[in-house]
Amino acid sequence: AQRVTQPEKLLSVFKGAPVELKCNYSYSGSPELFWYVQYSRQRLQLLLRHISRESIKGFTADLNKGETSFHLKKPFAQEEDSAMYYCALSPSGAGSYQLTFGKGTKLSVIP
Amino acid sequence: SAVISQKPSRDICQRGTSLTIQCQVDSQVTMMFWYRQQPGQSLTLIATANQGSEATYESGFVIDKFPISRPNLTFSTLTVSNMSPEDSSIYLCSVPGTSFDEQFFGPGTRLTVL
Repeated sequence: AQRVTQPEKLLSVFKGAPVELKCNYSYSGSPELFWYVQYSRQRLQLLLRHISRESIKGFTADLNKGETSFHLKKPFAQEEDSAMYYCALSPSGAGSYQLTFGKGTKLSVIP
Repeated sequence: SAVISQKPSRDICQRGTSLTIQCQVDSQVTMMFWYRQQPGQSLTLIATANQGSEATYESGFVIDKFPISRPNLTFSTLTVSNMSPEDSSIYLCSVPGTSFDEQFFGPGTRLTVL
């Protein structure tokens, strides 16, 4: 069975500082990985997916199969980045189906 | 993207009663998903609801406790039956995007069972 671990419940950084939200996964095959974000009083929404190798709102995430990690990074945090971030995994070929979520990390950017 | 609404947005219920949560989508979708998020926990998939067939439940969830209806391609309901305080959670519905590599989520229903 797959599992997603986000070791930090809360991460506080100062505005302009680098951000790294950690995500480790456990899955026997080649997973598809996602980061979802929930801003205050908004619904959960997709931030980025590893297969797209995209940068969204300055965030990037690289899949490291050796370390089974998919950490989310941003070089300079902004106040509007404060939100709840969830790492999610889907079995290969399943697209966004059968998502397994981590418990989430609350990012707080201090002005 | 799909626009999803849920009713009710929140409710406080007594132990032993049942609550039905509605999920409405602004477009026709084949699959709808129901999730539960207990306090401090991750989102956990309860079941997948397909129009015209019975819902597929994940391990640990059963139809008697969480009956689901899917009468058409834009609507689904999840009932939380015979509630106990352990059922206090946020319940969310979601649908896949057209490219199937994204899910769109509803705003959630916050349930408190006393």
